[in-house]
Amino acid sequence: QQKVQQSPESLSVPEGGMASFNCTSSDRNFQYFWWYRQHSGEGPKALMSIFSDGDKKEGRFTAHLNKASLHVSLHIRDSQPSDSALYFCAARHVGDNSKLIWGLGTSLVVNP
Amino acid sequence: AQTIHQWPVAEIKAVGSPLSLGCTIKGKSSPNLYWYWQATGGTLQQLFYSITVGQVESVVQLNLSASRPKDDQFILSTEKLLLSHSGFYLCAWRRGRGAETLYFGSGTRLTVL
Repeated sequence: QQKVQQSPESLSVPEGGMASFNCTSSDRNFQYFWWYRQHSGEGPKALMSIFSDGDKKEGRFTAHLNKASLHVSLHIRDSQPSDSALYFCAARHVGDNSKLIWGLGTSLVVNP
Repeated sequence: AQTIHQWPVAEIKAVGSPLSLGCTIKGKSSPNLYWYWQATGGTLQQLFYSITVGQVESVVQLNLSASRPKDDQFILSTEKLLLSHSGFYLCAWRRGRGAETLYFGSGTRLTVL
C-alpha cells in the first residue's frame, strides 16, 4: 500500500480558478510534509513545506496540515496556465532522516 | 547561491552497454546528495544517498551503483544496461540538518533500446 496517497490523479481548472490537491499518510510517524511541482522535462521544485498543524500561506499557495487525520492539502488560487504541471506530496518519517516518501502525483491542467 | 548541474541531458543507449551519469553541486560544502529515478509521468523512487565523500547508501539498487568521488560530485553507473533502466534520472541535494528541503537538478533522460 502506498504510504503517501494523493488525490485526485488529475485535475483541470479554468484560468483564474482554484486548484486543490489532497495527500493522506497511512503512517502517523510521517510528520514533515512538502509539496513539489514538476513541469514536463524538468526536475521537481519545492513549493512549500509544512510541519505544524494549521495553514501556511505563500503568495497564491496555501497548504494545510491536520496531523490528527494525517491529511495535508495544497490550494492554488488564481491558477495560471504556467501552473500546469505534476504536483507531488512528499513526507519524511520522524525516525528516518535519509529519505522522503513520495505520492504518485496529481496532474494539473489550467485552461486559458 | 548553490547550483546543481547534471550531465548528460539525455542519452540513448543499447541494452548491455555501460552507463555513467554525473551530478555536480557548487556553492555548498558537504551537501547530502541523492539519486532518484522516475518513470515517465510517474512518481519518484530514491535510489542512493550520500552524506559524505566515499560513503553511499543504497535504497533500491536496480542493478545500478553510485559513487561520491568528491565532496561536490555524485556519479550513477552500471556496466550493463537493461530495458527497465529507461526513465528520468534526477540528482538532488539538501543541507543535511533536520527536515530540510530537497533541491533537484534538471535531470537526465535515458532511453535504453
